Amino acid sequence: DAGVIQSPRHEVTEMGQEVTLRCKPISGHDYLFWYRQTMMRGLELLIYFNNNVPIDDSGMPEDRFSAKMPNASFSTLKIQPSEPRDSAVYFCASRAAAYEQYFGPGTRLTVT
Amino acid sequence: SQELEQSPQSLIVQEGKNLTINCTSSKTLYGLYWYKQKYGEGLIFLMMLQKGGEEKSHEKITAKLDEKKQQSSLHITASQPSHAGIYLCGAETPGGTYKYIFGTGTRLKVLA
Repeated sequence: DAGVIQSPRHEVTEMGQEVTLRCKPISGHDYLFWYRQTMMRGLELLIYFNNNVPIDDSGMPEDRFSAKMPNASFSTLKIQPSEPRDSAVYFCASRAAAYEQYFGPGTRLTVT
Repeated sequence: SQELEQSPQSLIVQEGKNLTINCTSSKTLYGLYWYKQKYGEGLIFLMMLQKGGEEKSHEKITAKLDEKKQQSSLHITASQPSHAGIYLCGAETPGGTYKYIFGTGTRLKVLA
């Protein structure tokens, strides 16, 4: 298996633009997690899905953030409009129930 | 809410030296995970501990969970430059939610 795949790896955008981050989980994993990592706040859980259904989105910072999982092999995290304070590394992770999470390589987002 | 505190925040050791990283929880741990992260990359799973007093080893890395299940340690024997990176402990929040919280990380540098 190729592991968790994220795209793009790097994204530079201007404030106010829409940003879409993409994730392909490991096949057979029924949980998918989106995290954000910054120097100030460390690794924070934004939202997670079970069997494509959002279970807990309490970590999503604002209405500008939205996440979808239309099928078992694809998820998106969208920021609209983006702001400089959204600059961070965004990770996607997946797991099978009761096992460890496997992380993707991350997307480094810079909003200017 | 549960919090994980890691110590030290950073560590510089000479190659060949042993070192220990600690992870302390404000509440009982129901699953403790150790990950390693290299700059610009995702988190790599190292070990999972669930039972009080449990100890696991992989190559030169040993992780332990204390009997009270509120503290874990990660010990590296005869460190090598390849051990350099950021070590994070993560824990599942109680209630079977499959949500993780993470410690703030310990940045390790090994001098050749």
